[in-house]
Amino acid sequence: QLQLQESGPGLVKPSETLSLTCTVSGGSITTSSYYWGWIRQPPGKRLEWIGNIYYSGNTNYDLSLKSRITMSVDTSKKQFSLKLRSVTAADTAVYYCAKYDTDLGCFDPWGQGILVTVSS
Amino acid sequence: DIQMTQSPSSVSAFVGDRVTITCRASQDISNWLIWYQQKPGKAPKLLMYSTSILQTGVPSRFSGSGSGTDFTLTISSLQPEDFATYSCQQAKSFPLTFGGGTKVEIK
Repeated sequence: QLQLQESGPGLVKPSETLSLTCTVSGGSITTSSYYWGWIRQPPGKRLEWIGNIYYSGNTNYDLSLKSRITMSVDTSKKQFSLKLRSVTAADTAVYYCAKYDTDLGCFDPWGQGILVTVSS
Repeated sequence: DIQMTQSPSSVSAFVGDRVTITCRASQDISNWLIWYQQKPGKAPKLLMYSTSILQTGVPSRFSGSGSGTDFTLTISSLQPEDFATYSCQQAKSFPLTFGGGTKVEIK
């Protein structure tokens, strides 16, 4: 069964770059109709969509974050990544990666999530 | 952006109770409505898509309805494992947006 796992530092200093990787196991990262997404949840707040990437590299980003985001995919490693530049305390959140079904519009499954704290 | 508003933000109920959660979209999203269940410290789990289609393995006590801007998630007979936070998501257009969540607590 498909599983996703986030990895990366749990602490990032203000103004620096947050870098996370999601590793996909138990299935293919190159399946058509599926994008790969990042979603975050600040403490006590609602889920926020960050963006999606297709295995070809095509992306959809939230416009409010677009100027600070880069997503990439490495099909040979079955990984996709998120870089968020110039972070502030407002970027502190649990970051999830998930498979996005373009036909249904839903995320499933999700990784377990990784808490990233922005603090000096 | 399409804003998603859930109500109530929390509800207390007994095991066996019928619970209804509402999600309202700021514009017509047809039936592009998703529901997730999230337990403390865990990732969201897909419950249903296209407003009312249950994900494989989700018990039939869960049901969804609605169209356009107003949607509901109903748990017909609340079970101990159902105590969690439920969030809706619109899939009509980017940016994908989520509701604020409804926490279902034990009474």
